[in-house]
Amino acid sequence: SQKIEQNSEALNIQEGKTATLTCNYTNYSPAYLQWYRQDPGRGPVFLLLIRENEKEKRKERLKVTFDTTLKQSLFHITASQPADSATYLCALMDTGRRALTFGSGTRLQVQP
Amino acid sequence: DAGVIQSPRHEVTEMGQEVTLRCKPISGHDYLFWYRQTMMRGLELLIYFNNNVPIDDSGMPEDRFSAKMPNASFSTLKIQPSEPRDSAVYFCASTRLKRGLAVEGQETQYFGPGTRLLVL
Repeated sequence: SQKIEQNSEALNIQEGKTATLTCNYTNYSPAYLQWYRQDPGRGPVFLLLIRENEKEKRKERLKVTFDTTLKQSLFHITASQPADSATYLCALMDTGRRALTFGSGTRLQVQP
Repeated sequence: DAGVIQSPRHEVTEMGQEVTLRCKPISGHDYLFWYRQTMMRGLELLIYFNNNVPIDDSGMPEDRFSAKMPNASFSTLKIQPSEPRDSAVYFCASTRLKRGLAVEGQETQYFGPGTRLLVL
């Protein structure tokens, strides 16, 4: 069966450190993988998209890697700040379907 | 642009009542998605439309749920009759997809603020 797993339900780190979140998937052929941020009481907000033929994508303090062999994406936030505290969701768009499937999310808490 | 608009933001109803959730997508977007989010099951896709036509409703839990999109600027998700297990946050999202290779930003979805539904 198809599955998307974000390995940590919660992650606590100190301000200034790099946060690394993991997204693993099985039985998907993703055309794209996306990362979203969700704050309490709000809808998810798009952060980064990486395509199946890309290995890495950066945006300011954010970096995403995509390994289709390992079926894994890593999401990094460098120089983390308390304002980065939120839930981060990975999402796949399967090549056979024009819709995203979301992982369960990782709640990141950055301690000052 | 005002973004995706959903109403109501909160809904409390009693079991057996009909519930109607509303969504106005971003102007110009041709895809509209309805999701449900719970602690247990996360964010689940219920149904999505392209150019007002339902494309995939495989996520709709049962016949008590129905969704319509009478025009490009309005969609409803209806639950009749509602049950306590329907309590969740319901999100609407929209996007615009173009033919050919997608450029970053064109495949992303823009979510509304959600409707928090509580069925007693």
